[in-house]
Amino acid sequence: EAEVAQSPRYKITEKSQAVAFWCDPISGHATLYWYRQILGQGPELLVQFQDESVVDDSQLPKDRFSAERLKGVDSTLKIQPAELGDSAMYLCASSLDREPDTQYFGPGTRLTVL
Amino acid sequence: SQQGEEDPQALSIQEGENATMNCSYKTSINNLQWYRQNSGRGLVHLILIRSNEREKHSGRLRVTLDTSKKSSSLLITASRAADTASYFCARSGSRLTFGEGTQLTVNP
Repeated sequence: EAEVAQSPRYKITEKSQAVAFWCDPISGHATLYWYRQILGQGPELLVQFQDESVVDDSQLPKDRFSAERLKGVDSTLKIQPAELGDSAMYLCASSLDREPDTQYFGPGTRLTVL
Repeated sequence: SQQGEEDPQALSIQEGENATMNCSYKTSINNLQWYRQNSGRGLVHLILIRSNEREKHSGRLRVTLDTSKKSSSLLITASRAADTASYFCARSGSRLTFGEGTQLTVNP
């Protein structure tokens, strides 16, 4: 069964350092999402791509976060510089155009900022 | 901000019992979904109920939706230890907005 791939699974970094997360959605899924999930809470959308275009980045802290999906397939989320409050699980999800409401999530990247 | 409120925050039951989780929301919806998340893992889509539906079943899952009360419930019947996870409702509007989740523990 096709799955959303994410790497790394765990990342420990010091504050002020740069970190990057990678996501490869299910083949054929045009829509890709990045979520942040703080421990004990539900996921919150950071950015949504339709193919290579950003359709919603209203919740993305643009002073330090950036996201790209250059060829409309895999995507990278970057944080520079990382802050203590960025410690969270970063989840990637994808969906089909014809079933936009059903999202398939990857295993996530657990980020710890020291 | 979170738009779905889930109740209870935590639920502990014995294997074989039924588990009921509730979700309330504040604004109108296109549909409402339930997801499961095992500890430290990604979310798995369980079931979607549209705004014009009142009840939906999938295996041991039963979801109800009351749009007049802006609430939904998820019932898991004959629970198993493997059902131990966090359960989230998600409101579908311009984006998917998740609640805080219910942590379900099923004791063997």
